[in-house]
Amino acid sequence: EDKVVQSPLSLVVHEGDTVTLNCSYEVTNFRSLLWYKQEKKAPTFLFMLTSSGIEKKSGRLSSILDKKELFSILNITATQTGDSAIYLCAGPYGGSQGNLIFGKGTKLSVKP
Amino acid sequence: DGGITQSPKYLFRKEGQNVTLSCEQNLNHDAMYWYRQDPGQGLRLIYYSQIVNDFQKGDIAEGYSVSREKKESFPLTVTSAQKNPTAFYLCASSIVTGRHSYNEQFFGPGTRLTVL
Repeated sequence: EDKVVQSPLSLVVHEGDTVTLNCSYEVTNFRSLLWYKQEKKAPTFLFMLTSSGIEKKSGRLSSILDKKELFSILNITATQTGDSAIYLCAGPYGGSQGNLIFGKGTKLSVKP
Repeated sequence: DGGITQSPKYLFRKEGQNVTLSCEQNLNHDAMYWYRQDPGQGLRLIYYSQIVNDFQKGDIAEGYSVSREKKESFPLTVTSAQKNPTAFYLCASSIVTGRHSYNEQFFGPGTRLTVL
């Protein structure tokens, strides 16, 4: 059964801290893993990872995939209160065309 | 501006009533999806459609119905058969490419449904 597991489920840090969010997955015929940020409404796309060991960066956010260990991390450095959100990890269902299976998300709260 | 819209933003319904949630996109995407989000549960797939006039059940389709008469529109009906309909509903769309590739899904702002 395909599944995506995120940890921790919630995290509270202070501004300026660095955080690492984890995503482990078991999906057949792996093609890609996606990270989304959800504030109050629509999840917004952050990264899509297809190759192992290649870091993707966007400002203070970065993510990397380990295909051998079936694992991905999302790093946020120098956190700000605006980083407070739910971070979702997702992978396509094995054999499907475009359907995603989501983890339960990590709720990050950044205190001033 | 291109995007995906959902309406209404908030919806209240009495138990036993059917209600339809709207989802429209002008991104020219072939595929559209409906998800339900409950606290601590992540997103769960209700229905999806890869092409007009065709749709498939997701993981939690019971008590829901959809139609896809136009490429731009994918309305979701929450029927009285849905035992626990209070939730946040998200619609998404994506392009469809070959079987061995995947493209990101773009999400609408969501509809929060409360059953009284």
